[in-house]
Amino acid sequence: AQKVTQAQTEISVVEKEDVTLDCVYETRDTTYYLFWYKQPPSGELVFLIRRNSFDEQNEISGRYSWNFQKSTSSFNFTITASQVVDSAVYFCALSEAGNYGGSQGNLIFGKGTKLSVKP
Amino acid sequence: NAGVTQTPKFQVLKTGQSMTLQCAQDMNHEYMSWYRQDPGMGLRLIHYSVGAGITDQGEVPNGYNVSRSTTEDFPLRLLSAAPSQTSVYFCASSFSRVFDTEAFFGQGTRLTVV
Repeated sequence: AQKVTQAQTEISVVEKEDVTLDCVYETRDTTYYLFWYKQPPSGELVFLIRRNSFDEQNEISGRYSWNFQKSTSSFNFTITASQVVDSAVYFCALSEAGNYGGSQGNLIFGKGTKLSVKP
Repeated sequence: NAGVTQTPKFQVLKTGQSMTLQCAQDMNHEYMSWYRQDPGMGLRLIHYSVGAGITDQGEVPNGYNVSRSTTEDFPLRLLSAAPSQTSVYFCASSFSRVFDTEAFFGQGTRLTVV
């Protein structure tokens, strides 16, 4: 069955430190999609990135970067030079295309990592 | 373009009361779903719909009913609220169930059952 594990429940860093949020997923499907969402203290879910299983290129967007490694089933998220505004809960999620039937679609979320960035 | 609109934003219910959480989207998305978020549990799927007239259960469907009479609306009904249903509820929509395109989430409904 599909599963997303975010082993880090809470992380606390000081501003300007780099921080990596880990995400490990399980799937039998060959086609799947991985996501990261940010949930700031205001509560809404903010879409950060979507990756499909055929695209292992790392991606960088400003201070954010993502490292997708199929060999280790990981999709880790790094924030460089963290800022107080990065304080939030971050969710990793998985959606399968359903090539093996039964579990097609729907977003499966990890339990989230709460990041606190202190000034 | 409003995206996904959830109402109400906050609600307090007494045990045994019923209510409907509203979700509407204006993007002509076929796929809509409801999640609940509890501390330390992430978001868990309650019910989903792949089009008008088609609904199915997710991971935690007990105590909730849904229907989808139009493409735009996907209400979530609590027939007899219980304290265990105290949670934050999110509605999501997407062009497809596989989420090969972006998923859009509503602002959330914070429900407290006393």
